[in-house]
Amino acid sequence: DSGVTQTPKHLITATGQRVTLRCSPRSGDLSVYWYQQSLDQGLQFLIHYYNGEERAKGNILERFSAQQFPDLHSELNLSSLELGDSALYFCASSVDQSNYGYTFGSGTRLTVV
Amino acid sequence: KNQVEQSPQSLIILEGKNCTLQCNYTVSPFSNLRWYKQDTGRGPVSLTIMTFSENTKSNGRYTATLDADTKQSSLHITASQLSDSASYICVVTSSGGSYIPTFGRGTSLIVHP
Repeated sequence: DSGVTQTPKHLITATGQRVTLRCSPRSGDLSVYWYQQSLDQGLQFLIHYYNGEERAKGNILERFSAQQFPDLHSELNLSSLELGDSALYFCASSVDQSNYGYTFGSGTRLTVV
Repeated sequence: KNQVEQSPQSLIILEGKNCTLQCNYTVSPFSNLRWYKQDTGRGPVSLTIMTFSENTKSNGRYTATLDADTKQSSLHITASQLSDSASYICVVTSSGGSYIPTFGRGTSLIVHP
């Protein structure tokens, strides 16, 4: 157990729908990072939050949004889902903004049908 | 454009043998380089992390090297075990304001008995 908790582990939904993925960072970590890993693709950085504020954006679609709450958990919202959004979504957390020692969660597998 | 290239794409070795995985990067400015092991469907697990001033780092049977001048890194696995079968991902983080990681596509290693 890495200490980073992601829920749900699996999610199946239809095209056009909206889903929310949740991430609870390790105790004491202030940063949360979201990543997408499609089949046979490398990990793609989506977005980074530190202590509730957005710090960096990567290849995140406009249909996707995220936020980090005062208790430091984070949610990734995916809307108007397309078949190509099917992927593993990972979050990682670290104590500071440098991601020097960040730890990944076990991921949420999203299947869009 | 920041890029991380890994080679080989895949590798098959016999149990007990050694192997070396390569990572070349063009990320600038450089903050740190990490090697991760990712089992299928699981979150990546950190093996080593190196900053600019470090040129070697070991973690058990895993030894990573870094040549910041040529922007190359290698991961050497000694006395491979069946459990080493996984994808090995090289991640380079830039330090220009926000710490954005760039991921390689990974090397898929299969260890046969």
